[in-house]
Amino acid sequence: GEDVEQSLFLSVREGDSSVINCTYTDSSSTYLYWYKQEPGAGLQLLTYIFSNMDMKQDQRLTVLLNKKDKHLSLRIADTQTGDSAIYFCAENTGFQKLVFGTGTRLLVSP
Amino acid sequence: ETGVTQSPTHLIKTRGQQVTLRCSSQSGHNTVSWYQQALGQGPQFIFQYYREEENGRGNFPPRFSGLQFPNYSSELNVNALELDDSALYLCASSLAGISYEQYFGPGTRLTVT
Repeated sequence: GEDVEQSLFLSVREGDSSVINCTYTDSSSTYLYWYKQEPGAGLQLLTYIFSNMDMKQDQRLTVLLNKKDKHLSLRIADTQTGDSAIYFCAENTGFQKLVFGTGTRLLVSP
Repeated sequence: ETGVTQSPTHLIKTRGQQVTLRCSSQSGHNTVSWYQQALGQGPQFIFQYYREEENGRGNFPPRFSGLQFPNYSSELNVNALELDDSALYLCASSLAGISYEQYFGPGTRLTVT
């Protein structure tokens, strides 16, 4: 079945690292994604990782993939107040159909 | 390079009416997918269009239908609107067979009263 789970809420202080976790169930997923959504806006593609990779780093963002446990995480280094948003993980289940989690609301306090 | 655009931004309809939402894909992209995002939820896949044909559908009833035009823009039509259709409707464009990157538009907020 298709089910992507995320914790609902994360609160950090500015300058700290944030780690957002996600578990998925479809082992055939080829790509896994992280999207950011600010209030009243669409989804912004942050990064994605191919399923045969363990890690991908892109500036302040680090994605870790544990395929055995079907666990995906997004680490944001030096978190800023502008990073406050909802973060969605998603898996590509074929034909570019994305299955999204329920989202993690990140609150960054000064 | 032009991003994904959607119109209208907001829409209010009455139960039982019909609505058409529009999406222009990012320049060079040939595939458009539509998603419904209810308040406080993640987006749910409605369907995808590639080369003007439906190419995959999620768990939505037939009153949700779509079109893709030769310029790759797309429409989402919803008939017999229900209160539960109130949501943010997002379209995403991508380039099939080349990239797995999907880029989303800002969405259309539909309210059904």
